[in-house]
Amino acid sequence: QQQVKQSPQSLIVQKGGIPIINCAYENTAFDYFPWYQQFPGKGPALLIAIRPDVSEKKEGRFTISFNKSAKQFSLHIMDSQPGDSATYFCAAVKGGSYIPTFGRGTSLIVHP
Amino acid sequence: NAGVTQTPKFQVLKTGQSMTLQCAQDMNHEYMSWYRQDPGMGLRLIHYSVGAGITDQGEVPNGYNVSRSTTEDFPLRLLSAAPSQTSVYFCASSYSNLVGELFFGEGSRLTVL
Repeated sequence: QQQVKQSPQSLIVQKGGIPIINCAYENTAFDYFPWYQQFPGKGPALLIAIRPDVSEKKEGRFTISFNKSAKQFSLHIMDSQPGDSATYFCAAVKGGSYIPTFGRGTSLIVHP
Repeated sequence: NAGVTQTPKFQVLKTGQSMTLQCAQDMNHEYMSWYRQDPGMGLRLIHYSVGAGITDQGEVPNGYNVSRSTTEDFPLRLLSAAPSQTSVYFCASSYSNLVGELFFGEGSRLTVL
């Protein structure tokens, strides 16, 4: 059973577009939601994270939107660039734990 | 500061062979873990450790063994490799008080024929 459902599996946008990646969860024990970015041939790296007491968090061109009642959160990339082409993983961490449960990933391609 | 170092980067095995994937970190992290990444399946936790001498199973532990004799090292052992273990393996570590912030190695690509 997937505890964190991520969609879409792949996404192609033009430079300047705003790709949106969505994640949903069921377990209300999750209280920390990080996003990881992975470039080809590299390990994932933490990109941005949010706790459910806020509805939105921005870091540069990356924004997380969080809907606690719907148990959904999403990543938006403003003014996307070819250098943003990567695989993105959402994750969720239960309170008292430091072990993330990952979504299955979204492969993003940004065309020049 | 090297971070998390994995060796080897690439390995080809025959079915039934054994091998060890090495992982070392120089950040004095308490928590270390191994993931496998397969297309469409995301990152699945194999084993993890919250400190030297302590290990536990993750989501997909079958066919893999681990040990943690030092804070720095967390090797992953395949005792009898199977084609289903063909994957990219990632080691990750973190401070126990930085919830969810994992530092990953660059991965080890394993092919089992």
